[in-house]
Amino acid sequence: SQELEQSPQSLIVQEGKNLTINCTSSKTLYGLYWYKQKYGEGLIFLMMLQKGGEEKSHEKITAKLDEKKQQSSLHITASQPSHAGIYLCGADDQAGTALIFGKGTTLSVSS
Amino acid sequence: DSGVTQTPKHLITATGQRVTLRCSPRSGDLSVYWYQQSLDQGLQFLIQYYNGEERAKGNILERFSAQQFPDLHSELNLSSLELGDSALYFCASSVEGQGERAFFGQGTRLTVV
Repeated sequence: SQELEQSPQSLIVQEGKNLTINCTSSKTLYGLYWYKQKYGEGLIFLMMLQKGGEEKSHEKITAKLDEKKQQSSLHITASQPSHAGIYLCGADDQAGTALIFGKGTTLSVSS
Repeated sequence: DSGVTQTPKHLITATGQRVTLRCSPRSGDLSVYWYQQSLDQGLQFLIQYYNGEERAKGNILERFSAQQFPDLHSELNLSSLELGDSALYFCASSVEGQGERAFFGQGTRLTVV
C-alpha cells in the first residue's frame, strides 16, 4: 500500500523565519494535497498539485511537486503565529479511490 | 465552514458499547470518506463510499462498519468499543471521490472509558 512520509515531524521557528516541510510518497503520486489543521479541529484545504513540476502559492505558502522524486515540499515565507498548526499532505492512492495522508508536521511559531 | 456536518461533536461511552457517528456531506457531493485520527497513528483512512456504494476500504476494523444512505448522508458504526478506539473521527466529502479536493467536517471526538 502507498505511504506518505512527512519531515520533519515537528518544527519550532521564530516569527519571520522561512521553513520547508517535505512529503515523500512510497509510490507514484497522482495528486498531492496539502491541508492544515488546528489541534482538535477539522482539516482546511491549502493546495492541490497534479502535475510534475507544478508550483502553487497562496499568500505566503508555496507548494511544489517533484514527480520524479515522488515528493512535494511546502514552503512558508516569513512565518507568523497564524501559520502554527499541523500540516498534512494527502495523496490519491494508485487506484485513485482512497485519499491517504502522512502523519503530519506540527509547526510552532514563536514570537 | 466546509459544508460537511458531523454529529455528535463529542461522545463519551464505556468499553463494550456501540455508537453511531453521523455525517452529512456538502450539497452535491456524492463521495464520503471516514478517517480516524489518533496521536500515535495520525490520520488513518477507514472507508470511502460513492453514491451509496462502498468504493475503497482502508484500515477499518471488523468491529466498525459504515454505510451511505440514499440521501447521501453516511453513518459510521463502532461496536464492542475498546479504550484504544478513543480518537477523533472525521468525515470528508467530495463530488466524484477521486482526483479532487475533499472537504472535511469538524470531527467527532470519541472517548471510551
